[in-house]
Amino acid sequence: EIVLTQSPATLSLSPGERATLSCRASQSVSSSLAWYQQKPGQAPRLLIYDASNRATGIPARFSGSGSGTDFTLTISSLEPEDLAVYYCQQRSNWPRPITFGQGTRLEIK
Amino acid sequence: QVQLQESGPGLVKPSGTLSLTCAVSGGSISSSNWWSWVRQPPGKGLEWIGEIYHSGSTNYNPSLKSRVTISVDKSKNQFSLKLSSVTAADTAVYYCARLFYTENSNWYFDLWGRGTLVTVSS
Repeated sequence: EIVLTQSPATLSLSPGERATLSCRASQSVSSSLAWYQQKPGQAPRLLIYDASNRATGIPARFSGSGSGTDFTLTISSLEPEDLAVYYCQQRSNWPRPITFGQGTRLEIK
Repeated sequence: QVQLQESGPGLVKPSGTLSLTCAVSGGSISSSNWWSWVRQPPGKGLEWIGEIYHSGSTNYNPSLKSRVTISVDKSKNQFSLKLSSVTAADTAVYYCARLFYTENSNWYFDLWGRGTLVTVSS
């Protein structure tokens, strides 16, 4: 099973600042990685797929990069509504199991 | 637009079987998507349980495979989850979700239900 490790566990930033979240895979997943945002009490929402493609309706301040084992989600200028937990997810070579990272909690000061 | 709605008992006794259904509305379960279950214990992260295609083909998380059955009912446009021999560790919010296929041959969750909390307790 491919393990995804996210860092940091918690990130506390002010509105307007840049947020950089990391996801590292235990082995290469090529570009088969997605990012999700989960706000309190809600289901996750797809932000980024195939490492760098924004999902429908996602603001341009969200961007993804990386390939192989190291991936980054960047929020260029934080808004108060970006308060959430962010998860990465992979599925390298269907039908291998889908796995998620443990999440990064983003706090807005 | 397509919506997913989970339903089922919110309380299950230890050693019993957890049973949930996900109703698909606004679209057909026979589309070119896989349909999946994901769970989240209170205050913890996400865990993929398994998936099903409208043909009945399934894939399961190896860690749960011995206890999980996912089935589809095309006539009712819904799919279901059964998890047997439950313990308190199976207490979680259970989500149904749709997997979509990208041009790079990858699968991701693009649509989620609101989730339903299932508590395992006597």
